[in-house]
Amino acid sequence: DAGVIQSPRHEVTEMGQEVTLRCKPISGHNSLFWYRQTMMRGLELLIYFNNNVPIDDSGMPEDRFSAKMPNASFSTLKIQPSEPRDSAVYFCASSWDRGSGANVLTFGAGSRLTVL
Amino acid sequence: GEDVEQSLFLSVREGDSSVINCTYTDSSSTYLYWYKQEPGAGLQLLTYIFSNMDMKQDQRLTVLLNKKDKHLSLRIADTQTGDSAIYFCAESSDSSYKLIFGSGTRLLVRP
Repeated sequence: DAGVIQSPRHEVTEMGQEVTLRCKPISGHNSLFWYRQTMMRGLELLIYFNNNVPIDDSGMPEDRFSAKMPNASFSTLKIQPSEPRDSAVYFCASSWDRGSGANVLTFGAGSRLTVL
Repeated sequence: GEDVEQSLFLSVREGDSSVINCTYTDSSSTYLYWYKQEPGAGLQLLTYIFSNMDMKQDQRLTVLLNKKDKHLSLRIADTQTGDSAIYFCAESSDSSYKLIFGSGTRLLVRP
């Protein structure tokens, strides 16, 4: 398996533009997470999907952020309109959640977003 | 609320042992994890320990858990320059999807 695949790896955009980040989780995993990493706030959980259904979106900063998971092999995180304070590294992670036990996440390499 | 704390920085000489410490507040924590992040990469799971264990060893890595003090440590024996990275401690409760991460400890290995 190629692991969790994220694209783009780097994105530079101007304030006000729409940004779409993409993620392909590991085949067979039923849980998908979007995290944001910044120096100031560390790792923040933005949203969690289980079996393609959003379960917890309490970490999504505001209405400018939205996430979808149309099928088990694809998810997107969209920011519209983007702002400079959205600059961060966005990670997608997936896992097999059997309802109990350790939650072992596999992370993608991340998408580094810079909003000018 | 739940909180996980780590020191920010550790510098060691190549060949020495490294000990990275972590404290957590959630008494219902069931699993404690150590992740490694190399520059420009995502987090990679190193190991995890179940809360009813005191110790877990995996090659050069030793995890010690003091549940009474809510203290977790990661010891890396014979530290190499390739071990230079950020190490994250995390905890979760049983049947919970949510991992609570610490802020990470940057390990620098000097030749």
